[in-house]
Amino acid sequence: QKEVEQDPGPLSVPEGAIVSLNCTYSNSAFQYFMWYRQYSRKGPELLMYTYSSGNKEDGRFTAQVDKSSKYISLFIRDSQPSDSATYLCASNAGNNRKLIWGLGTSLAVNP
Amino acid sequence: EAQVTQNPRYLITVTGKKLTVTCSQNMNHEYMSWYRQDPGLGLRQIYYSMNVEVTDKGDVPEGYKVSRKEKRNFPLILESPSPNQTSLYFCASGDVQETQYFGPGTRLLVL
Repeated sequence: QKEVEQDPGPLSVPEGAIVSLNCTYSNSAFQYFMWYRQYSRKGPELLMYTYSSGNKEDGRFTAQVDKSSKYISLFIRDSQPSDSATYLCASNAGNNRKLIWGLGTSLAVNP
Repeated sequence: EAQVTQNPRYLITVTGKKLTVTCSQNMNHEYMSWYRQDPGLGLRQIYYSMNVEVTDKGDVPEGYKVSRKEKRNFPLILESPSPNQTSLYFCASGDVQETQYFGPGTRLLVL
């Protein structure tokens, strides 16, 4: 079992839909949780960064961490075609511990 | 503009011909890292550096070398490239590894 797992998709939704992207992790010591967005032929860019459990909101994006179930979610409200990208989750235990990456979920938002 | 630059962006070479991919950041970040990204395998870390003159192996360091003589530069060296090093390479930097800025990528083909 990989330490961080993501459904690779592709996930296809109509414009304006609420998108839910998910990761699961296996290491209960993980405290830091990141979502990166990667457009085709570009480098990943940090989208959301959360510590421990709870929600964090930034515009149309909400990151949610449920440590009891080891589940990480990224919600995108009012999705736009410009949100079409691959979304990578990553996590670690902090203190310079190794960062573990998911393989990414491909999202297509159709106009 | 805050950025991570990589050169070259595209490179076709032959087996055994030494090459260097340069990476430079202008954000005064202490942490720098090299990744390779392959279909189905995701992002895999090659080497990272916590500060000048401090480098350490990532998950797939075999066949690669790095150096960190200055804070802003972190070149990746392939002493004797082989076809299995054909990949998309990303340099990244950050204040910490959890919040990294990625470069645009270098697409390498080794024949």
